[in-house]
Amino acid sequence: GALVYQYPRRTICKSGTSMRMECQAVGFQATSVAWYRQSPQKTFELIALSTVNSAIKYEQNFTQEKFPISHPNLSFSSMTVLNAYLEDRGLYLCGARGWGTGQLYFGEGSKLTVL
Amino acid sequence: GDSVTQTEGQVALSEEDFLTIHCNYSASGYPALFWYVQYPGEGPQFLFRASRDKEKGSSRGFEATYDKGTTSFHLRKASVQESDSAVYYCALGETSGSWQLIFGSGTQLTVMP
Repeated sequence: GALVYQYPRRTICKSGTSMRMECQAVGFQATSVAWYRQSPQKTFELIALSTVNSAIKYEQNFTQEKFPISHPNLSFSSMTVLNAYLEDRGLYLCGARGWGTGQLYFGEGSKLTVL
Repeated sequence: GDSVTQTEGQVALSEEDFLTIHCNYSASGYPALFWYVQYPGEGPQFLFRASRDKEKGSSRGFEATYDKGTTSFHLRKASVQESDSAVYYCALGETSGSWQLIFGSGTQLTVMP
C-alpha cells in the first residue's frame, strides 16, 4: 500500500533557529507533494505544492525564503522552516500523491514547538 | 473560491448508534470529494473519495454519496464503535487548475462504550 513517512515526528527549537523536515513515500511514486501546516485548532493551511520537474508553487503568506522545499525525486521531499518563531508552531504535514490519483496520502506529521 | 463546510464541530454517540456528519461544498467546477480521518498524534488517513454525481464512496463501514444537487457529501455509518473516535475531515479537490485539497474544519467524533 501507499505509505508516507515523515521525520522528525517532533522538534522543539529556540526562537530564531531553523528546522528541517523530511518526507518519504513508500510503495508508490510521489509525483506531487503538498506541504500543509495544521494549527493547534486543527485547521489546515496549505504552504506549497510541489510537482517533480516543475516549479514549486507557494501559497499566499508562505514564501520560499521562509519555507524552502526540495523535491528531487519521486520518493522524497524536504522542507525547512527558517528562523522559526511562535507563529510557526504547528503540525507540518506532507501529503503525497502518485500518477493519476487525486487523493493525498499523508505522513504522521512533524510537530514543531518553538520556545 | 472553493470551500467545504462541516456543520458539526463535535458529535458524541454511544456504541452501535447511527452516525451522520454533514459536509457541504461550494465549487465552480466539478470537484472530487474526499473523507479523511485523523487519530490523535497522527496525520490524516484517506478514507475514500467520489468523483461524480451519485457515486458512493465507502470504507471501513463508512460511506458517503456525492450529491451535486444539494452540493453535499455526508458521512454515514450504521453502527459506530468506540475505536471510531477521531476527527473526520471532508475535503474537495480544487477545480481552478490547482490540485490541492481544501479541508473542512473537521468534526470530532466521540463514541462512548
